[in-house]
Amino acid sequence: GQNIDQPTEMTATEGAIVQINCTYQTSGFNGLFWYQQHAGEAPTFLSYNVLDGLEEKGRFSSFLSRSKGYSYLLLKELQMKDSASYLCAAMDSNYQLIWGAGTKLIIKP
Amino acid sequence: ETGVTQTPRHLVMGMTNKKSLKCEQHLGHNAMYWYKQSAKKPLELMFVYSLEERVENNSVPSRFSPECPNSSHLFLHLHTLQPEDSALYLCASSQGTSGDYNEQFFGPGTRLTVL
Repeated sequence: GQNIDQPTEMTATEGAIVQINCTYQTSGFNGLFWYQQHAGEAPTFLSYNVLDGLEEKGRFSSFLSRSKGYSYLLLKELQMKDSASYLCAAMDSNYQLIWGAGTKLIIKP
Repeated sequence: ETGVTQTPRHLVMGMTNKKSLKCEQHLGHNAMYWYKQSAKKPLELMFVYSLEERVENNSVPSRFSPECPNSSHLFLHLHTLQPEDSALYLCASSQGTSGDYNEQFFGPGTRLTVL
């Protein structure tokens, strides 16, 4: 079957760095997405990786290893507003997104 | 209006009621989606429309009936729902359905409670 695994919850300190991991098993693979969802709000797009390696966008970076079925989202210089759920989603051979349950990130002062 | 809008934002209904959720996208996209989001569970894809034709139906119960009259509007008609259908219903749109054209833009959702 198709499956996405990511930690349920993580805690980090303001100003620090945190890495949120995601492993996936899909029928075929056409890329991996990360979304941010604040409580009570809609998910918003953060990144898309289809090739191996690291993509950097300001304080956020996303990494993909296709051979390992693994991705991570790296958040630097954490701010209180980064407290949110982070959703990992892999696109299968039918271009359907398979979603993880999300990682709730709690930032402490 | 910009982005993806959904109405109503909150809905409480009895199991015998009939109601409809509305979604409108102002992005010129060709694909629209309905998702169900329950607490601590992955997003569940319910329906996908690409160029107004339904391309995906993930074995959703028939008490949920989608309608896509044009590429900007999407409806989800609800009837004889069950309490376990209570959830956040999210609408999304994307430019296409493959590769990075599948970057999805979400509406704020409708919080549905079935009594």
